[in-house]
Amino acid sequence: GAGVSQSPRYKVAKRGQDVALRCDPISGHVSLFWYQQALGQGPEFLTYFQNEAQLDKSGLPSDRFFAERPEGSVSTLKIQRTQQEDSAVYLCASSLPPGETQYFGPGTRLLVL
Amino acid sequence: AQKITQTQPGMFVQEKEAVTLDCTYDTSDQSYGLFWYKQPSSGEMIFLIYQGSYDEQNATEGRYSLNFQKARKSANLVISASQLGDSAMYFCAILMDTGRRALTFGSGTRLQVQP
Repeated sequence: GAGVSQSPRYKVAKRGQDVALRCDPISGHVSLFWYQQALGQGPEFLTYFQNEAQLDKSGLPSDRFFAERPEGSVSTLKIQRTQQEDSAVYLCASSLPPGETQYFGPGTRLLVL
Repeated sequence: AQKITQTQPGMFVQEKEAVTLDCTYDTSDQSYGLFWYKQPSSGEMIFLIYQGSYDEQNATEGRYSLNFQKARKSANLVISASQLGDSAMYFCAILMDTGRRALTFGSGTRLQVQP
């Protein structure tokens, strides 16, 4: 497909479990972003990659959150020892050079019980 | 730091009528871009329209137009001829041309189009 894809679309985790969320950006897009969207709020920035380099991770809420993009294409957001406050929709977006329009995937809805 | 304010948590509009969704922003930078996204209940953020801070003309994309008033720091979205499929959350966002490369979003406006 031509758009950003994310998997899984839904994830239920028990508190304390580790989860991995995948993002497949639009082919050729250099920049990749992760956002967290709590219920009823706008998305908030987590981290940003340009190719394989993680240039900004200032939005990651704790050291339990880790993201990678080893080959400059697919990215994985990993959350270790999940907690209930991690429940949210995790959105991935990609763009050509930074500063261009960001196109979003459908998101992964994470529920931590 | 930049900030986006959307003061209308919810809006109703009759089908085929026009509606304006408000957005104000706060930044000390001179170079930035303003975006509107639509988020239906399915959850995906759909890009609608973009306005650069140096663009002199208001952006238009089909039934969407952006009423950009730089001095007032407002970037309102106008949807003409509303359709039932326009019912969704709408988010205004700002992207600075320097510094952090990520979008800063407002809290959104839920639009409901009534038949």
